Amino acid sequence: DAKTTQPPSMDCAEGRAANLPCNHSTISGNEYVYWYRQIHSQGPQYIIHGLKNNETNEMASLIITEDRKSSTLILPHATLRDTAVYYCIATHATGYALNFGKGTSLLVTP
Amino acid sequence: DAGVTQSPTHLIKTRGQHVTLRCSPISGHKSVSWYQQVLGQGPQFIFQYYEKEERGRGNFPDRFSARQFPNYSSELNVNALLLGDSALYLCASSFVVIDRADGNTIYFGEGSWLTVV
Repeated sequence: DAKTTQPPSMDCAEGRAANLPCNHSTISGNEYVYWYRQIHSQGPQYIIHGLKNNETNEMASLIITEDRKSSTLILPHATLRDTAVYYCIATHATGYALNFGKGTSLLVTP
Repeated sequence: DAGVTQSPTHLIKTRGQHVTLRCSPISGHKSVSWYQQVLGQGPQFIFQYYEKEERGRGNFPDRFSARQFPNYSSELNVNALLLGDSALYLCASSFVVIDRADGNTIYFGEGSWLTVV
């Protein structure tokens, strides 16, 4: 699986959009980009995933660059409950082990 | 529908003892995987089981073992516990183990906190 690079920490004001970047410059053509988040002391929660196209669901939007070397997770209106560690993972569809890395610790402030 | 359930949620063991952690996957999911998360680190892959067979193993010693039952539930066993085994143990399930295209996302339980003293 391709290595991903994320900033260790970010801040966001409540009600504003949180844009979390991820670099995956060595991603291969059949690797998906998955995002999970982990609120303190809980299990990781699936957020969204994509291959080439931008994706949106009730939780977030995923923007993948045309060359697929980077992506951005967007939480459109961050709340205090979005404070968590966010993990960006590049993985093959036929793979079975997720490589979480260290993620980005997002702090949403009032 | 119930998500991935794990038991116990917290336990304390003494060095040298063994521990068994249990996991029930989401209904209909046939694949179960186990992860270890040490404080301050991301989860690390331990095992993957599908249709009761081990399909993948991470870089963990032989003290770690697991199995999957006919109802797709799973157990993780750790023998000869060390202080360094203190961690959050996560179980995850998915519908299939391969071809993780849309619909086959991996979902995690809340984990079992193991403290070794």
